[in-house]
Amino acid sequence: AQSVAQPEDQVNVAEGNPLTVKCTYSVSGNPYLFWYVQYPNRGLQFLLKYITGDNLVKGSYGFEAEFNKSQTSFHLKKPSALVSDSALYFCAVRAPVGALTFGSGTRLQVQP
Amino acid sequence: GAVVSQHPSRVICKSGTSVKIECRSLDFQATTMFWYRQFPKKSLMLMATSNEGSKATYEQGVEKDKFLINHASLTLSTLTVTSAHPEDSSFYICSAPKWSTKGEETQYFGPGTRLLVL
Repeated sequence: AQSVAQPEDQVNVAEGNPLTVKCTYSVSGNPYLFWYVQYPNRGLQFLLKYITGDNLVKGSYGFEAEFNKSQTSFHLKKPSALVSDSALYFCAVRAPVGALTFGSGTRLQVQP
Repeated sequence: GAVVSQHPSRVICKSGTSVKIECRSLDFQATTMFWYRQFPKKSLMLMATSNEGSKATYEQGVEKDKFLINHASLTLSTLTVTSAHPEDSSFYICSAPKWSTKGEETQYFGPGTRLLVL
């Protein structure tokens, strides 16, 4: 069985500061890892994914994530946070095909 | 990217009635679609996998007779909540996988349907 853990319910950061949203995973075989963002009363928007290749993955809106196999982590990062980045962020994992297993979500609050 | 739509975006119904939610892939075909349910301030939980041309596959604990799924075409899946009760009130989200020319799959999500059962 596969699982994802997002240890922080909420992350607070000041605008302009770097942000990190943590994610660890457990899966048999090679992981397919994803980050999605959800704005209030909206569906999920795809940010980025890691399938294979470079451990540092760049995605939408200036976000990036680093795959660390030894630590089974896939933390989401951004060098300079914007107030508009405030939203709910989900890390997810799946097999090569099939449905996603989501983490519990982390609410990012960027203060002006 | 790709576009997945859901209709309606919001529905309020009386207890005991049935509600149908549509999920469409607008610019690609999807032989498989997924239905998730999200409780307030909670994560998404997979309910079922909708398969075009065959029966849906339900996750453990999801009542297939209550949540009817029909994958009518390569671009449309419907979720019908039968005899809805207040505890069925939730945010329902569908997703559809799209394959790139490199053979990689990415899930695209609909905007969600908020169901409120009175």
